[in-house]
Amino acid sequence: QSALTQPPSASGSPGQSVTISCTGTSSDVGGYIYVSWYQQHPGKAPKLMIFEVNKRPSGVPGRFSGSKSGNTASLTVSGLQPEDEADYYCHSYAGSNTWVFGGGTKLTVL
Amino acid sequence: EVQLVESGGGLVQPGGSLRLSCAASGFTFSSYDMHWVRQLPGKGLEWVSGLGTIGDTYYSDSVRGRFTSSREDAKDSLSLQLNSLRAGDTAVYYCVRGSYCRSGHCYPVGAFDVWGQGTMVTVSS
Repeated sequence: QSALTQPPSASGSPGQSVTISCTGTSSDVGGYIYVSWYQQHPGKAPKLMIFEVNKRPSGVPGRFSGSKSGNTASLTVSGLQPEDEADYYCHSYAGSNTWVFGGGTKLTVL
Repeated sequence: EVQLVESGGGLVQPGGSLRLSCAASGFTFSSYDMHWVRQLPGKGLEWVSGLGTIGDTYYSDSVRGRFTSSREDAKDSLSLQLNSLRAGDTAVYYCVRGSYCRSGHCYPVGAFDVWGQGTMVTVSS
């Protein structure tokens, strides 16, 4: 159950797009469609942004999108807004009813 | 309003025990998988334990054999018993809602969509 690999930081200017990667193995990200992404602002609980690779819960803006290729999943935030500045975590099913998170990426809106 | 409220955190010595509770409201608790997720200070998220709707339990390698999770559907509540605590268990512990399950089928899988505010556990002498 090793943590998924995310870049520690990412940044972009308002209106730009930024993509955060999440690399696992064939035993987690590569083996299942059950990849989710969470947004966490300082001092707050995480919020579900994407599930099952590319599905958005109701209320999540359409500028958040997810994808997956092989063992790597990605979260893209288009049209960056100041309120998008937060930590982002990927999350994947790892088999046998266990789950694994990524180490997190701090997104800075310049 | 759908809500999860954790309690029971605190300061405990290494080797000690603690019991965390989570009170659910605003949804049919018995129909959902539930999970415990922790966040070490200044660090990322770590899945700790999952509980299915039939009482089946699952644990991460780091806590298996030391932590025990349980649910009491009649009281819409979840518990996590923490034993043999170590300094590395110091974290905020979140109660989290997972999949909706009906007739043996659960969906959406992996969408941890409702989180409590968390309760802090500090293991220190």
